[in-house]
Amino acid sequence: EAGVAQSPRYKIIEKRQSVAFWCNPISGHATLYWYQQILGQGPKLLIQFQNNGVVDDSQLPKDRFSAERLKGVDSTLKIQPAKLEDSAVYLCAGRSTGGLEQYFGPGTRLTVT
Amino acid sequence: AQSVSQHNHHVILSEAASLELGCNYSYGGTVNLFWYVQYPGQHLQLLLKYFSGDPLVKGIKGFEAEFIKSKFSFNLRKPSVQWSDTAEYFCAVTSSGNTPLVFGKGTRLSVIA
Repeated sequence: EAGVAQSPRYKIIEKRQSVAFWCNPISGHATLYWYQQILGQGPKLLIQFQNNGVVDDSQLPKDRFSAERLKGVDSTLKIQPAKLEDSAVYLCAGRSTGGLEQYFGPGTRLTVT
Repeated sequence: AQSVSQHNHHVILSEAASLELGCNYSYGGTVNLFWYVQYPGQHLQLLLKYFSGDPLVKGIKGFEAEFIKSKFSFNLRKPSVQWSDTAEYFCAVTSSGNTPLVFGKGTRLSVIA
């Protein structure tokens, strides 16, 4: 089966610009997570979707970050406007209903200058 | 809130040396525990997992981990490391299938010839 797809793999933008990341989890994985991994730290949850609904976005900086999963399949995470501290790897993961294991994509490495 | 502590930031070992990476978590209820590995330039991969049953779990590539409930620990071990084990290792915990993973900060392992 195909793995979790993410694009782009790398992105460099200037502060105050906007950026969007895309994720397509493994087919049938109803739960989708976006994590932020800052250099030297472990991944931290930004937002969790169950199908097309948000389950947990308590740690999402909503003044600048937004995410959607309109059809309950692929998802987009947007940052507008970006700050220097947003430089990180953005990871997407999926999980099947009833499953305990999350499957991660390769991530998007964002550099904000 | 759950938290995960990984005691070692960077471990340097010679090939064939034995490895033990510490992981402690804070959560009093039922937990599901994971070790992920991130090889240079690659995405997070699951090494092993503990959900229930035998507290000694075996994973891929000769890794194993032991869940000690009384110590809130889930240490990762390997009897003899290889150069190819050079990577970053993350311990993670979740309290149920639907909650996101909480990661430790990671331990960087460097294996030298």
